[in-house]
Amino acid sequence: DADVTQTPRNRITKTGKRIMLECSQTKGHDRMYWYRQDPGLGLRLIYYSFDVKDINKGEISDGYSVSRQAQAKFSLSLESAIPNQTALYFCATSLRVADTQYFGPGTRLTVL
Amino acid sequence: QKEVEQNSGPLSVPEGAIASLNCTYSDRGSQSFFWYRQYSGKSPELIMSIYSNGDKEDGRFTAQLNKASQYVSLLIRDSQPSDSATYLCAGNSGGGADGLTFGKGTHLIIQP
Repeated sequence: DADVTQTPRNRITKTGKRIMLECSQTKGHDRMYWYRQDPGLGLRLIYYSFDVKDINKGEISDGYSVSRQAQAKFSLSLESAIPNQTALYFCATSLRVADTQYFGPGTRLTVL
Repeated sequence: QKEVEQNSGPLSVPEGAIASLNCTYSDRGSQSFFWYRQYSGKSPELIMSIYSNGDKEDGRFTAQLNKASQYVSLLIRDSQPSDSATYLCAGNSGGGADGLTFGKGTHLIIQP
């Protein structure tokens, strides 16, 4: 079945470490997104990509970078992790702009 | 700042009753609206999408959109304990940007 997968599912790291979260999809969608979710703050958009040549900042891109390696793969990096980046991170895909987004299972990241 | 506002709850509804969830949005350029259900620690799951003024029904769920009042609602009929979850309202970003703006979610509890 077509799906959105994320690795790792859980990660504990230390302040200052570089971390990469990976997202893969088999839905054939061009559009991919990274969100973070914090208790009481809801889901917030970090970056999004229309295709491998297009990367766009979202609401909270500071401290993050992304790479769109292929249509099916979109990675999120924290170059130097800090404790306030502790959150639940979701990747999502959609077929068209302003269309339904389909979410991966999430990565729970803890920065000590 | 584009915002989607929801009452955080908890909203407690007896089993078998109608649950009514509400949402307002600030961006008049938003065209598409979505209701997602999210269980604790899990990813958001699409319940309904709505693009036009009026009502849209799907099984026990009815979404309502009023663009003049910038108001979106979700009705859940014959509420079941399995409907207990957090419901996220989201609207697309207008003006050609992509991504969804999410409300912080309403925590719904269905009492057996």
